[in-house]
Amino acid sequence: DAKTTQPTSMDCAEGRAANLPCNHSTISGNEYVYWYRQIHSQGPQYIIHGLKNNETNEMASLIITEDRKSSTLILPHATLRDTAVYYCIVRVAIGTSGTYKYIFGTGTRLKVLA
Amino acid sequence: DGGITQSPKYLFRKEGQNVTLSCEQNLNHDAMYWYRQDPGQGLRLIYYSQIVNDFQKGDIAEGYSVSREKKESFPLTVTSAQKNPTAFYLCASSPFGTPYNEQFFGPGTRLTVL
Repeated sequence: DAKTTQPTSMDCAEGRAANLPCNHSTISGNEYVYWYRQIHSQGPQYIIHGLKNNETNEMASLIITEDRKSSTLILPHATLRDTAVYYCIVRVAIGTSGTYKYIFGTGTRLKVLA
Repeated sequence: DGGITQSPKYLFRKEGQNVTLSCEQNLNHDAMYWYRQDPGQGLRLIYYSQIVNDFQKGDIAEGYSVSREKKESFPLTVTSAQKNPTAFYLCASSPFGTPYNEQFFGPGTRLTVL
């Protein structure tokens, strides 16, 4: 299974962009990259996902390198409420077609500073 | 409101007792999942189910059992055979059969075995 590696922790000043890197050098061609975040003792919250192209939604942007071996999640204007553990996840197919599992790493603990 | 509910939030049991964790969803999702999370770690897949009356082992199924008698319910039993059951347990669900099916997570149950 593809594996992800992320920095253990990062700090970011409130109002600045937070750039969270992720390495997934063993990813296969049809495996998506997902980003979730988890606030302490809660369930993970979906942020964004992508396959090859860069993606943007109301929460964040996802930049995927051309060789797909790494990606960066960008929170454009971090707030104190963005303090959480951010997981870069590779989604792989399991069972019959249409079912997938997430391969979680240990995540990046982002602390937004006032 | 549509979503996933897990109960209870905190659960305490004595060693050697079986315990069942509840997971209910009203999102009309076909697929449901159980994950385990240990301190400072990512999530690991225990069991998953694509449709009613069908379920499959994930990466760490030993010492656990599940059932899927109804589409909206996927209870997890932690048996006395699980060597280290104290952990945070998360249930998730997703639509089946689409390539972009993100998983939606419940709030989790923290199980402590004394």
